Amino acid sequence: QQKVQQSPESLTVSEGAMASLNCTFSDGTSNNFRWYRQHSAKGLEVLVSIFSDGEKEEGRFTAHLNRANLHVSLHIREPQPSDSAVYLCAVSMISGTYQRFGTGTKLQVVP
Amino acid sequence: NSKVIQTPRYLVKGQGQKAKMRCIPEKGHPVVFWYQQNKNNEFKFLINFQNQEVLQQIDMTEKRFSAECPSNSPCSLEIQSSEAGDSALYLCASRQGRNTEVFFGKGTRLTVV
Repeated sequence: QQKVQQSPESLTVSEGAMASLNCTFSDGTSNNFRWYRQHSAKGLEVLVSIFSDGEKEEGRFTAHLNRANLHVSLHIREPQPSDSAVYLCAVSMISGTYQRFGTGTKLQVVP
Repeated sequence: NSKVIQTPRYLVKGQGQKAKMRCIPEKGHPVVFWYQQNKNNEFKFLINFQNQEVLQQIDMTEKRFSAECPSNSPCSLEIQSSEAGDSALYLCASRQGRNTEVFFGKGTRLTVV
């Protein structure tokens, strides 16, 4: 059974400083990874999807995937207070259907 | 921006009552998922559909939970006899195909009192 774990549980960064979030997974054959942001009022918003080892950038959000180390990370460049939210990592198989989620990192960006 | 519409946003039911929530997937998205997110942010996959056919579901949904996605009508998730442990955010998501992006609605927050 795939296990997805995120760290840290919560993170406070200053506006403009890089924020780094981590996600580990247990099934090394997984090949479909997404980072979501969840605001209470807006629901889940997909930030970055990555399917192969290496780096994928979407605006200020960059995901790094290393399947050999069972690790995917999200880096947020120049975070702003509006980026304060819960960030969720989701893992699935391309050939499968549903995603397994971590329990999130609560990010707070302070001015 | 996601166009998955979930109603109602909030639902309060007494224990033993029926709870029903609806989801309109994005236009052109034949695959629909239902997830349960509890207060500890733990996600549980419940069921998914391709058009009107069930693709996968977990054991839980075979008992008190039922879901359907009829053609030309909203998808729905119904809990026959609500329990306190069912209190959670129920999220609906849709996608166009196997390797395409998944879009989520804002969820229905169920509170069972």
